[in-house]
Amino acid sequence: EVQLVESGGGLVKPGGSLRLSCAASGFTFSGHSMNWVRQAPGKGLEWVSAISRDSSYIYYVDSVKGRFIISRDNAKNALYLQMNSLRAEDTAVYYCARGVGVSGYWGQGTLVTVSS
Amino acid sequence: EIVLTQSPGTLSLSPGERATLSCRASQSVSSNFLAWYQQKPGQAPRLLIYGVSTRATGIPDRFSGSGSGTDFTLTISRLEPEDFAVYYCQHYTSSPPRYTFGQGTKLEIK
Repeated sequence: EVQLVESGGGLVKPGGSLRLSCAASGFTFSGHSMNWVRQAPGKGLEWVSAISRDSSYIYYVDSVKGRFIISRDNAKNALYLQMNSLRAEDTAVYYCARGVGVSGYWGQGTLVTVSS
Repeated sequence: EIVLTQSPGTLSLSPGERATLSCRASQSVSSNFLAWYQQKPGQAPRLLIYGVSTRATGIPDRFSGSGSGTDFTLTISRLEPEDFAVYYCQHYTSSPPRYTFGQGTKLEIK
C-alpha cells in the first residue's frame, strides 16, 4: 500500500524557518517525481514545488522561489521542503503528492502556521 | 499562465440528483492534463478523473468527465451521500511543470 506521511509542521514566527519531511513507503520512491502542494485555511489548492526522480529537475511556484528548497533522499525514501523567510501567507496545510501531471497519491498533510 | 475558473461556487442538490460541475480555462489546454479531485473536510484531495475522462482506480462509474479546449465538465450521475464535498479541476503543463488548480466547487446537501 502506498503511503505518504508528512511531518515537521508547526507554529513559527515570521522570518523563521521550518523543514518538512515526507516519508514514503509501499512503492519504489526513486521511480517517481514528487511534489509539495499547499492549502491555506479555507482556501483552495496551490502547487508549491516539484522534484524529478533523480533531483535533476526542480521547480517552484514564483511566490516561494529563493525561500523554499525541495530535496529528496532516495536511499531513505524521503522528500523534504526547507522553508526559510516564512511569511504569514505561507500558513497552510502542506501535502506531499506523488507523480507528474496528476497525483493519485497524497499524504494527509502537515499544518504550518506562521504567526507572531 | 492558464487560469481555471470553476462554476458554480456552490451547488446545492439532493441525494439521487445529477450534478454538473464546470471548469473553464483561460486558454485552450491539452486534454491529457485535465484532472478532477474530490476533497472532504480534513482529508487530502482524492484523484477522480484524469485525461479529461478517465476514471482513476476505484472511482465509481457515476463519476464522469468530459470536455475539450477550454470547457470541461465533471458529472455525477446520481449523488450519493458521500459525494458531498469540494471538487477541484487541475491542469498541468510540462515545460516547465506547473500545476494549476481551479478555485473549487462546493457540492452541498440541499
